[in-house]
Amino acid sequence: EAQVTQNPRYLITVTGKKLTVTCSQNMNHEYMSWYRQDPGLGLRQIYYSMNVEVTDKGDVPEGYKVSRKEKRNFPLILESPSPNQTSLYFCASSSIGRSLTDTQYFGPGTRLTVL
Amino acid sequence: AQTVTQSQPEMSVQEAETVTLSCTYDTSENNYYLFWYKQPPSRQMILVIRQEAYKQQNATENRFSVNFQKAAKSFSLKISDSQLGDTAMYFCASTRRSGNQFYFGTGTSLTVIP
Repeated sequence: EAQVTQNPRYLITVTGKKLTVTCSQNMNHEYMSWYRQDPGLGLRQIYYSMNVEVTDKGDVPEGYKVSRKEKRNFPLILESPSPNQTSLYFCASSSIGRSLTDTQYFGPGTRLTVL
Repeated sequence: AQTVTQSQPEMSVQEAETVTLSCTYDTSENNYYLFWYKQPPSRQMILVIRQEAYKQQNATENRFSVNFQKAAKSFSLKISDSQLGDTAMYFCASTRRSGNQFYFGTGTSLTVIP
């Protein structure tokens, strides 16, 4: 089954404690992306990756890191989480083809709470 | 950057009726794509419909159709014969044809009333 998986689905942590949210897709997609969703703000793009070893900042990259060492994985790293990073996080992937027009497949979301 | 605006935070519709969700966007590009995503209570993001800006014909997917007004930069979603399962948050989104970033609106919460 084609899917994007995220782990963990729920996480409560404390300020300053480094954490990683994993994202994996089994569709051989070139493009992967991270979003955060906050009430009244919709989804905002954090980072995206066009392919292995190629990552770029989205609209809200501050406080986050990513890496793309393998095509299927795109982990999101919070080196020193703060309460304003409490949010619902989505990973997504899509093929590129001639342009970024194909369907984005979204993971189930990770609910992060930073105390 | 592109901006996407959804001015209706909440809407409701009677089952079997038709409802239209509004979306406007701002871009200086000529080639871009527009999308409507549905987010049910399960929080999954599901693509409902997409429109290519260079195509004049409005996209349709079963009960879902769009009214794409390129000059007005408007991209509304019409849901016909509304069903209880249509209850969800709906997001409008855009991306440039040559770009790599997606831009989402703030969402419209739709409730279908039995």
